[in-house]
Parts: sequence; structure tokens; C-alpha cells
Amino acid sequence: KAGVTQTPRYLIKTRGQQVTLSCSPISGHRSVSWYQQTPGQGLQFLFEYFSETQRNKGNFPGRFSGRQFSNSRSEMNVSTLELGDSALYLCASSLVGGGKNTEAFFGQGTRLTVV
Amino acid sequence: DAKTTQPNSMESNEEEPVHLPCNHSTISGTDYIHWYRQLPSQGPEYVIHGLTSNVNNRMASLAIAEDRKSSTLILHRATLRDAAVYYCILRETGNQFYFGTGTSLTVIP
Repeated sequence: KAGVTQTPRYLIKTRGQQVTLSCSPISGHRSVSWYQQTPGQGLQFLFEYFSETQRNKGNFPGRFSGRQFSNSRSEMNVSTLELGDSALYLCASSLVGGGKNTEAFFGQGTRLTVV
Repeated sequence: DAKTTQPNSMESNEEEPVHLPCNHSTISGTDYIHWYRQLPSQGPEYVIHGLTSNVNNRMASLAIAEDRKSSTLILHRATLRDAAVYYCILRETGNQFYFGTGTSLTVIP
């Protein structure tokens, strides 16, 4: 059974550009959440999607957005990139609604560098 | 927001048991206690979770205090591959995790 797949693994962008990251969850998983990891702030929750609807959102500016497709694949977009957006972006998938009694599976992440 | 407190770092000798503590004094009755670990350059990996009773799986054991305000992750025989950052998380709703700073475990050969 394939794990969570994130593409691309590495990305270099210039300040002011926009970027789109992709996450393919484990087959059958309908809940996908996104996280940003930086040395200074650690792992921070960005947002969660379930059945193509955003269910929860973390405390990030509107430049960070996402969506989920009918096949549960998800994308996140960051517009007007800033140097501080350089981070490891992780996605996690869970079975069904992602209830408290279920585990989440994380991808290996996309390393974004903004120059 | 992270609602757990863990030591920043711990060391263990290889082949010996490791007890990683976590305090979660504001836990509610329906919060599950989850543990994940993150190896260098990888995404977090599920270790174990529980609600009230102690739990065991092939990776570790989870001991939960009777008042549920603290828990301990037990690695029965630490190996070099267990060197990672271990996160204790209270899973509330949905598929969102609020990570704290975790405990960086060093395993000494």
C-alpha cells in the first residue's frame, strides 16, 4: 500500500512568486491536513480538508490556501512568497473523517526555499 | 495550540529501556493521547495512542496516569534507529495536530 506522496520534494522560488504543492493521500483516506515546519516555530497546523471541504484552518495569512479534489488529492498554494515561507511543508492523511481514535500518516514533505 | 509539556532532550544507552514523559494537565475527557516521532529529514511517524488504558504495540508501550494528566512513552530496548524527536499530542477534533517542541532522544551506542 503506497504511503502519502508529496511532490515536489524540493523547490526553490523567488520572493514574490507563488507556489503550488501537491499531496496524494493513502488510498481510501479522505482527510488531508497540511503543516509547516520551521526551525524557529516547529510544526504548525495550516489547514485540513475532508471531502473537498476545508474543515479547519490554522493561524496563517490568506496567502496560504488549499483545496482538495474529488479523488482526495490535495494542493496547497502560497502566493506572494516571502523569505519566511522557507520551510518543510508536510501533509498527513487519515482514514474516513480523521476522528480522534485514528492515526495520521505523514508524507516526507516538500522542502521550499525562498530566495 | 500545544497543550503538552515534554523535556527538550533525553539520552539513553542502546539496548536499554527509555521512558519519555509528557504532561497534559488540561486534557479533556475525550482527548486521545497520541505519540509521533520524527526522524531526521522525514515526516512524523505514528508511534502509539490511547485514551485511558495503557496500550502496547510492536513499537512501544504507552502508560497513562489514572488522572490522565500525564503519560509516558516506553521504548523497551532503544536502538540507534530510535534516535528522533518524539512528540506527545492531544488529539482533539478532526485531522489537526498541535505539536509542541517534542523531546529529542539521543541513543548512545
